Amino acid sequence: DAGVIQSPRHEVTEMGQEVTLRCKPISGHDYLFWYRQTMMRGLELLIYFNNNVPIDDSGMPEDRFSAKMPNASFSTLKIQPSEPRDSAVYFCASTWGGPSRNTIYFGEGSWLTVV
Amino acid sequence: KNEVEQSPQNLTAQEGEFITINCSYSVGISALHWLQQHPGGGIVSLFMLSSGKKKHGRLIATINIQEKHSSLHITASHPRDSAVYICAAPNFGNEKLTFGTGTRLTIIP
Repeated sequence: DAGVIQSPRHEVTEMGQEVTLRCKPISGHDYLFWYRQTMMRGLELLIYFNNNVPIDDSGMPEDRFSAKMPNASFSTLKIQPSEPRDSAVYFCASTWGGPSRNTIYFGEGSWLTVV
Repeated sequence: KNEVEQSPQNLTAQEGEFITINCSYSVGISALHWLQQHPGGGIVSLFMLSSGKKKHGRLIATINIQEKHSSLHITASHPRDSAVYICAAPNFGNEKLTFGTGTRLTIIP
C-alpha cells in the first residue's frame, strides 16, 4: 500500500482565498483524522471520522473550516476564507479500529502558508 | 482528557550513546504510541504498544501500565536519529490522541 496520501504537499495562497486539502487513507482503514501542527500549539486534532461519519469536530477552529469524507478512500479539509493564522502543517492520518487498538499512519503533510 | 508528559524536552548526545526518552500519562490506557518527526518532515509511527516491550532495530520501547509510564530507548545512536520524538496516548472512551510536547534529539557525530 502507498500509505496515506495527501495533496497538495505545499500551498501558498493569499488571505481570503479558499484552500482545499485532500487525503486518501490507507485502504481498509476505518478511522481518518485531520491534525494541524504549529510551532506554538504542537499537534492538534481538528476532526476525525469513523466509517466516513464525522465523530468529533470539536477541534475545528471556526466555521471557516469544514471537512468531508464522501467515501472510504477520500477526505477533504476546506478553509474558506483563509487567514494568515491558518498557516500550519496539516496532517491526515488513518488507522483500523482506532489508535486505542492499532498503529496510526500519517501522511506527509500539507504545508500551508497564507500571506 | 489524558495528560501526557515527556522528558527531556531537548537532548543532545554524542554518536554511539544510549538514549532514553520518557513519557508519563495520567489516565489508564489500552495503547501508547511513539512517533518520530525529522526536521521539516512527516510523522512516522515507531511503535504502538499496550504492554511489555517492543524492539525494532536499534529502537526499543517499553511500557509499564501500572505506573503509567513508557520509555523509548535508542542504542548506538547515530546522527540520522536526530529528530523530534513524540509519545501519544488515547483519551479514555474515545479515539482522540493526546500528544506529548515532544523530545528534540540531536546526535553529534
